[in-house]
Amino acid sequence: DGGITQSPKYLFRKEGQNVTLSCEQNLNHDAMYWYRQDPGQGLRLIYYSQIVNDFQKGDIAEGYSVSREKKESFPLTVTSAQKNPTAFYLCASTPADSGGTDTQYFGPGTRLTVL
Amino acid sequence: QKEVEQNSGPLSVPEGAIASLNCTYSDRGSQSFFWYRQYSGKSPELIMFIYSNGDKEDGRFTAQLNKASQYVSLLIRDSQPSDSATYLCAVKGRTGGFKTIFGAGTRLFVKA
Repeated sequence: DGGITQSPKYLFRKEGQNVTLSCEQNLNHDAMYWYRQDPGQGLRLIYYSQIVNDFQKGDIAEGYSVSREKKESFPLTVTSAQKNPTAFYLCASTPADSGGTDTQYFGPGTRLTVL
Repeated sequence: QKEVEQNSGPLSVPEGAIASLNCTYSDRGSQSFFWYRQYSGKSPELIMFIYSNGDKEDGRFTAQLNKASQYVSLLIRDSQPSDSATYLCAVKGRTGGFKTIFGAGTRLFVKA
């Protein structure tokens, strides 16, 4: 089955610790995105990547880092510099040619909690 | 002013009624408009997209777009308890390199 997978589903981080969230897709999509969702708020863009080996900062990139070494994979690292990382993290992807609609397909999400 | 605004709700409707969800956006150059449904603890799933003025129907769902008023809505006919969820309005705009901007969502409760 084609889709987007994220792991782990739940993640606990101690203060001062870096953690990495995994996102893999087998949809052959070119663009991938990371969003953060806090209670009662919309999705905020952290980073996005339109092609392999290239990525751009979104609206709230501070304290986060990404890599895009393979088309299928776009891992997100939450560094110790991110002071309030507790949130629901969503990975999404879009095909290169979506007819201009840019429909985003989401993974199941990772819920990160700081202990 | 937020770029994409939605009433947070909750909006409560009886089963079988029409639920009307509204969204306004600030960027007049916006090109594509989306409605996503998100169940509690789950990721958003696309319901509909629309990019031309007017109505677009898909089963029990109708999206309505009025670019002059910078307004997009979603109507759900014959609402079912399974429609209870948060509905996110998303807009692909001209600013910021054509990023997709999401509203905070409207919580809908359909009472059986």
